[in-house]
Amino acid sequence: GAGVSQSPRYKVAKRGQDVALRCDPISGHVSLFWYQQALGQGPEFLTYFQNEAQLDKSGLPSDRFFAERPEGSVSTLKIQRTQQEDSAVYLCASSFLLGVRDEQFFGPGTRLTVL
Amino acid sequence: AQKVTQAQTEISVVEKEDVTLDCVYETRDTTYYLFWYKQPPSGELVFLIRRNSFDEQNEISGRYSWNFQKSTSSFNFTITASQVVDSAVYFCALSESATGANNLFFGTGTRLTVIP
Repeated sequence: GAGVSQSPRYKVAKRGQDVALRCDPISGHVSLFWYQQALGQGPEFLTYFQNEAQLDKSGLPSDRFFAERPEGSVSTLKIQRTQQEDSAVYLCASSFLLGVRDEQFFGPGTRLTVL
Repeated sequence: AQKVTQAQTEISVVEKEDVTLDCVYETRDTTYYLFWYKQPPSGELVFLIRRNSFDEQNEISGRYSWNFQKSTSSFNFTITASQVVDSAVYFCALSESATGANNLFFGTGTRLTVIP
């Protein structure tokens, strides 16, 4: 398919473990976004990339969260020493350009449960 | 402060009824975009519509229509003759030009249940 894909779809981690969530954006899309969606809430912005450059990481909740996109395509969101409050769905989105009007296409999300 | 407010947490309607989902936004930008997304039980966000701040013309797409009013900072969404397949969580979102990017600010969503 040509959509945004994310893996794994579900992840269960024990508190204190490190996790890595992967996002494959639509081919050719310049911009990539990560959002966190807690249960019963709307998605909240974490960070975004333009190609390989991380232009804004103001939404990352702590220094345990780290995102990268080394070659300007696939991105990984890493969470170190997971805590129960990290339990959420992590959504990735991509858009063709980086502009206020560009539609973002969302992936199915990774549901992270921290025990 | 919440940039997007969706005051209706849950709405239930009987099939074929019309339903309006409210969205109120807050921004100091003169150039911004408003969006509606649908999130079915599968979890994936589905884009429905995008409007820019300079176009207040209402839009209709099949059973869906949107009413954008800058005077009240509202961007409401109406589903006519609702169907069971419309059951989902609907999110209103805002994108501001001042950020230099198009990261979205979402409301907390309205869960719509259409009862057959």
